[in-house]
Amino acid sequence: GESVGLHLPTLSVQEGDNSIINCAYSNSASDYFIWYKQESGKGPQFIIDIRSNMDKRQGQRVTVLLNKTVKHLSLQIAATQPGDSAVYFCAENRNTGFQKLVFGTGTRLLVSP
Amino acid sequence: DAGVIQSPRHEVTEMGQEVTLRCKPISGHDYLFWYRQTMMRGLELLIYFNNNVPIDDSGMPEDRFSAKMPNASFSTLKIQPSEPRDSAVYFCASSRSADTQYFGPGTRLTVL
Repeated sequence: GESVGLHLPTLSVQEGDNSIINCAYSNSASDYFIWYKQESGKGPQFIIDIRSNMDKRQGQRVTVLLNKTVKHLSLQIAATQPGDSAVYFCAENRNTGFQKLVFGTGTRLLVSP
Repeated sequence: DAGVIQSPRHEVTEMGQEVTLRCKPISGHDYLFWYRQTMMRGLELLIYFNNNVPIDDSGMPEDRFSAKMPNASFSTLKIQPSEPRDSAVYFCASSRSADTQYFGPGTRLTVL
């Protein structure tokens, strides 16, 4: 849905653990999804994307899974490092004919050494 | 590549003053976006341009906000007059296609 941002859910993990961040999207017509990482005081940084004709895509230490049946997106980070601590946003392109991303609420990832 | 460049990085002004935020997109990108981020509302799209032409400005809060893109390498977002509720971080982003957007570092605006 639309960004709310009042209270961010937080995921706390230990360094070396695998992290899974989840996102529910609202529009079944959305055909493109992106994960962004935002560190304090910086702009959102592109991590990985996936199109609706795929259900999995892998990058370096990250994997995105897409379940269109339940409109769910997840970001898996392998061997989480303290530098991964940030707020993670999913974004969907609602395929309205315009180039318009709608961002999720965001999840704060805290990685302890 | 230098990435998206925004200036100033921080702006503190008094209510009623005019504020102009600036953005230089990544060279070769044909889409440019202005977003606003607040704790209450998260990240909101204000307006976006394609080939320097405004395409969707439905997110612009009110007439006090205006945006221009006089050429492919420069855009401005202006608030006149500014109000305390405009305090936020304003991001500019650009993309080559209709998909992946790359964000600038943002301008933190404080209106007193």
